[in-house]
Amino acid sequence: QQQVKQSPQSLIVQKGGIPIINCAYENTAFDYFPWYQQFPGKGPALLIAIRPDVSEKKEGRFTISFNKSAKQFSLHIMDSQPGDSATYFCAASRGYMRFGAGTRLTVKP
Amino acid sequence: DAGITQSPRHKVTETGTPVTLRCHQTENHRYMYWYRQDPGHGLRLIHYSYGVKDTDKGEVSDGYSVSRSKTEDFLLTLESATSSQTSVYFCAISGVGENNSPLHFGNGTRLTVT
Repeated sequence: QQQVKQSPQSLIVQKGGIPIINCAYENTAFDYFPWYQQFPGKGPALLIAIRPDVSEKKEGRFTISFNKSAKQFSLHIMDSQPGDSATYFCAASRGYMRFGAGTRLTVKP
Repeated sequence: DAGITQSPRHKVTETGTPVTLRCHQTENHRYMYWYRQDPGHGLRLIHYSYGVKDTDKGEVSDGYSVSRSKTEDFLLTLESATSSQTSVYFCAISGVGENNSPLHFGNGTRLTVT
């Protein structure tokens, strides 16, 4: 059973659009919520992470929004570019990292 | 790639044969992990190590064993490969360990069991 549920499975946006990827979790003991970006043939790489005492974190064009009461968090990519086309994984950690199923993002020029 | 080398990068093997995948790190990190990546499942933890000769099971450990005789090397063995173990295997390392610690991944080993 997936402990971190991620949606959508795939997403297509135009250049400059704002794709949003959502994740939900059940275990309230999770205390670290990272997002990873993966390009074909490569391992996932840490993109941005948040802790549950913060509701939003921004790094460059990437923003995590965190809703502790709803047990949900999301990734927003501002001014998306074709180079952002990749698979994105949310994750949650307590003991070890649990991952969502992934979202394949395509940004069309 | 945070000084992580996985070998081999690709392997095709037959059902019933043993297979060993290697992860080598140059970061001197204490924690090492083996994940498998499958469509629709994301990454799932197989085994992890928190020091030399110290290992523990993850969520999908059946049919796998690990060994860590040196800080820099973490081996994953499929004792008798099955088609359900066809997957992409990723090694990851972490400097701090269990909680609130980002993982750094290698580039993976694509394993096909025929």
